[in-house]
Amino acid sequence: EAEVAQSPRYKITEKSQAVAFWCDPISGHATLYWYRQILGQGPELLVQFQDESVVDDSQLPKDRFSAERLKGVDSTLKIQPAELGDSAMYLCASSSRLAGGRTGELFFGEGSRLTVL
Amino acid sequence: AQSVTQLGSHVSVSEGALVLLRCNYSSSVPPYLFWYVQYPNQGLQLLLKYTSAATLVKGINGFEAEFKKSETSFHLTKPSAHMSDAAEYFCAVSIGGSNYKLTFGKGTLLTVNP
Repeated sequence: EAEVAQSPRYKITEKSQAVAFWCDPISGHATLYWYRQILGQGPELLVQFQDESVVDDSQLPKDRFSAERLKGVDSTLKIQPAELGDSAMYLCASSSRLAGGRTGELFFGEGSRLTVL
Repeated sequence: AQSVTQLGSHVSVSEGALVLLRCNYSSSVPPYLFWYVQYPNQGLQLLLKYTSAATLVKGINGFEAEFKKSETSFHLTKPSAHMSDAAEYFCAVSIGGSNYKLTFGKGTLLTVNP
């Protein structure tokens, strides 16, 4: 069964360091999402791509976060410098269509758990 | 703006008992509503969805939910809880627009006692 791959699964870093997460969506899925899930809360959308273009990055803290999907396939989310409040699970999801949020047909990876010390 | 409120961050039931997880939504236009489940250290999985067809929606693993516009609710139920149902459950809403952005609730942790 096709899956969304994410790495690393766990990352511990010190504040002010740089950290990067990688996501490989299900083959053929044009829409890719990065969500942040703080402990005890629901996922919050950080950025949404359609192919290589950003559709929504309104909640992405652009002073320290960046995301790219250069060839419209896999994606990288970067944080520099990391802060204590960035400790969270970073979830990647993909959908075969832009309106994945209408059908709910988002396929999530297992996430990357970040701890900032 | 769209939002969902999940009443109760933690629900505990006995095996075989009714499961009821509450979700109320806020939306100025007809919404699409979803329930997702998250098992420990895993990503989210779609349980069921309401997309303006039947108001009673059946999902996987014996769960169902009923859309009640008058109460702005979309509560999740299962007649008989199983140990394997223990997980965190998220209600989510999306409305129209360019990308049908999903907004999640804070989640309800379901514990099933033997």
